[in-house]
Amino acid sequence: DQQVKQNSPSLSVQEGRISILNCDYTNSMFDYFLWYKKYPAEGPTFLISISSIKDKNEDGRFTVFLNKSAKHLSLHIVPSQPGDSAVYFCAASEGNQFYFGTGTSLTVIP
Amino acid sequence: DTGVSQNPRHKITKRGQNVTFRCDPISEHNRLYWYRQTLGQGPEFLTYFQNEAQLEKSRLLSDRFSAERPKGSFSTLEIQRTEQGDSAMYLCASSFGRSGKYGYTFGSGTRLTVV
Repeated sequence: DQQVKQNSPSLSVQEGRISILNCDYTNSMFDYFLWYKKYPAEGPTFLISISSIKDKNEDGRFTVFLNKSAKHLSLHIVPSQPGDSAVYFCAASEGNQFYFGTGTSLTVIP
Repeated sequence: DTGVSQNPRHKITKRGQNVTFRCDPISEHNRLYWYRQTLGQGPEFLTYFQNEAQLEKSRLLSDRFSAERPKGSFSTLEIQRTEQGDSAMYLCASSFGRSGKYGYTFGSGTRLTVV
């Protein structure tokens, strides 16, 4: 039973354009939502988070939007850079554990 | 302290053998987590320690799996009588306190292949 879903396995964007990665969840008890970035042969690296009581959080080129009524969150990367090419995991926390989506592989084309 | 360290990075073992992995968390972090990631999936929670106490275990953690964190420092994850379905990346992570806002710090993982 997948509580966090990322329905797009891959995404390609041109350098300088916006990347939008999407995530859906089913559990209304999640209190934080996070995005992790993963390069091959490395562990996931924390990128940005948002509390369930907020609808937007921004950190530099990265913005996360939360739509609680739709149980949907998205990560916007503007402008996209080739170094952003990686697998992005959406995660949600309840208690002491995170529930992860299956990841979206982002390729930024120079 | 350069982050969460996991050893070995890779392990190939024959079915039925026992394996043990080690995780050294960031020294000031009191919480330690084990996750498992299979191909095409996101990491799945296995277990969590606060200091030396194992406080939560997933139903994914069968009785062939055991984890310890003696003295609240490094942790070991042992798998007995390995099966081919145990082949996965085993990730360790640590945090100081609850990690909802700031996430965990993950190690690079141990990739287990059971042949």
